[in-house]
Amino acid sequence: NAGVTQTPKFRILKIGQSMTLQCTQDMNHNYMYWYRQDPGMGLKLIYYSVGAGITDKGEVPNGYNVSRSTTEDFPLRLELAAPSQTSVYFCASSSGTSNYGYTFGSGTRLTVV
Amino acid sequence: QKEVEQNSGPLSVPEGAIASLNCTYSDRVSQSFFWYRQYSGKSPELIMSIYSNGDKEDGRFTAQLNKASQYVSLLIRDSQPSDSATYLCAVSPGGFKTIFGAGTRLFVKA
Repeated sequence: NAGVTQTPKFRILKIGQSMTLQCTQDMNHNYMYWYRQDPGMGLKLIYYSVGAGITDKGEVPNGYNVSRSTTEDFPLRLELAAPSQTSVYFCASSSGTSNYGYTFGSGTRLTVV
Repeated sequence: QKEVEQNSGPLSVPEGAIASLNCTYSDRVSQSFFWYRQYSGKSPELIMSIYSNGDKEDGRFTAQLNKASQYVSLLIRDSQPSDSATYLCAVSPGGFKTIFGAGTRLFVKA
């Protein structure tokens, strides 16, 4: 049982490049989330999804896009990378609403130079 | 005022002591409260959840909630060096919103 799997673990992007952060879960959770974590700051919600085909913006969605074609997968797309997107990105899932707590993936450390 | 506030620490306690971590929140309608442990370079891991006023115990961990004071705490008894980590407080008003604090760094000295 792998839980929530994120790839890649590390990535360096040049300004203006694009990339997709992959996230997959094998717990049959309907709810999935993307967060970013900056030093000294709490986790900030980028996008979330309540099921296949349904996504919505979180607190800091600018510069990102998501899709949810299956229950298992919730990729995060960065278009035109900027230094402000340097961060650690975590994907998470839960069996219900936010009352249930989250299972997090191992994270992707992204540096934009 | 931040929505979820935690002292950044570091909080340093000797091995075997009780570590007390505190968190205040601003949204009075908050329903669910969580503590996550995050080791350096790793992802957060859920260790406690609490939904009603009072204490909830799980092994060496006790979560305490006081909704009137908008205060939630985590006690770690018999602290071990392996407990050294950052502890994130998270608060949810329900629905799909969870607000995370910036975390308190705990250091347990052997």
